Amino acid sequence: EAQVTQNPRYLITVTGKKLTVTCSQNMNHEYMSWYRQDPGLGLRQIYYSMNVEVTDKGDVPEGYKVSRKEKRNFPLILESPSPNQTSLYFCASSSYPTGAPEAFFGQGTRLTVV
Amino acid sequence: GENVEQHPSTLSVQEGDSAVIKCTYSDSASNYFPWYKQELGKGPQLIIDIRSNVGEKKDQRIAVTLNKTAKHFSLHITETQPEDSAVYFCAASLYNTDKLIFGTGTRLQVFP
Repeated sequence: EAQVTQNPRYLITVTGKKLTVTCSQNMNHEYMSWYRQDPGLGLRQIYYSMNVEVTDKGDVPEGYKVSRKEKRNFPLILESPSPNQTSLYFCASSSYPTGAPEAFFGQGTRLTVV
Repeated sequence: GENVEQHPSTLSVQEGDSAVIKCTYSDSASNYFPWYKQELGKGPQLIIDIRSNVGEKKDQRIAVTLNKTAKHFSLHITETQPEDSAVYFCAASLYNTDKLIFGTGTRLQVFP
């Protein structure tokens, strides 16, 4: 089954404690991205990756890091989380550039920073 | 850059009625317009999309229309059912990029 898998689904952490949210896809997609979803703001792109070792900033990259060492994995790293990073996070992948740009989303990670 | 506005933010309909959600976009170069359905506790899921070379696309009870001149596109759900209740997002992009710009979402409630 084609899927994007995120872990963990829920996470509560304290300000300043580094954390990583993992993302893995089994569709051999080259393109992967991270979004955050906040009430009234929709989905906003944090970072994206066109391929292994190729990453770039999206619309709201401040406070986040990513890496793409393998094609299937695209972890999101918060080096020093702050309360304004409390949000619902989604990883997505797509068949761009070889196919349509529609994105396949993971189940989401709800992060609370206290 | 592209900006997508979506209305209404909430929509309540009686089962069996139709629901219409509208989006407008700012960049006339955008040529790909997907719609996503997000059920509670799940990630967004693509339900239908349209490209700028067609004006309408239909899939069973769901249809999307595109007016390139006015730069708006709409999602139409006919014969709504309680399982249609979800948050719906529109998005716009250039087909040869994967930069999706999302609307702010519409919470649809279908009452039995």
